Amino acid sequence: GQQVMQIPQYQHVQEGEDFTTYCNSSTTLSNIQWYKQRPGGHPVFLIQLVKSGEVKKQKRLTFQFGEAKKNSSLHITATQTTDVGTYFCAGPGRGSTLGRLYFGRGTQLTVWP
Amino acid sequence: SAVISQKPSRDICQRGTSLTIQCQVDSQVTMMFWYRQQPGQSLTLIATANQGSEATYESGFVIDKFPISRPNLTFSTLTVSNMSPEDSSIYLCSVKRDLSYGYTFGSGTRLTVV
Repeated sequence: GQQVMQIPQYQHVQEGEDFTTYCNSSTTLSNIQWYKQRPGGHPVFLIQLVKSGEVKKQKRLTFQFGEAKKNSSLHITATQTTDVGTYFCAGPGRGSTLGRLYFGRGTQLTVWP
Repeated sequence: SAVISQKPSRDICQRGTSLTIQCQVDSQVTMMFWYRQQPGQSLTLIATANQGSEATYESGFVIDKFPISRPNLTFSTLTVSNMSPEDSSIYLCSVKRDLSYGYTFGSGTRLTVV
């Protein structure tokens, strides 16, 4: 299926520092989605980006979709302890795998108070 | 977004036995998806469950090991058959109802095989 690469795998920051995770696909994506999974929880949808070069913000979170629609990033400004969790990007399948969603390996964020 | 009820939330099973996981959605959806998440890992798609037809399995997953039922548009089950400790994992079902919204996940089933 669709392969989406994500880095870094782990990130440890002090509260108040910024955080960024990057996602990259070898093929053009029709859209890219971001999910957050708290420890012990299930993935929760954050946002979907569809347009080339799109930038969306949710409070301290900024999501970008690359011009070529092959990469994306999630940036958190001034992290808080509530930001702890694993952030996944995910890309949809194409052709015979249309409708399916394939996840990157995720970035596990730890925030020290 | 859709609301999904998944059960059981966790179970400890003996090797060689089978466990059936259920997911109930609060509205009709065409496709339901089953994922596996091993500890500290990402989500791996097992199969897509379509109502009225056989499930479509991803590479590395087979029907004999993970039979799926989809009797109607709001319900699906995944069975983990002839379990071994390597099947210890979290299993999640998921649906997508709206084009403009992402996928909704059940709360997951944490399976431990001893």
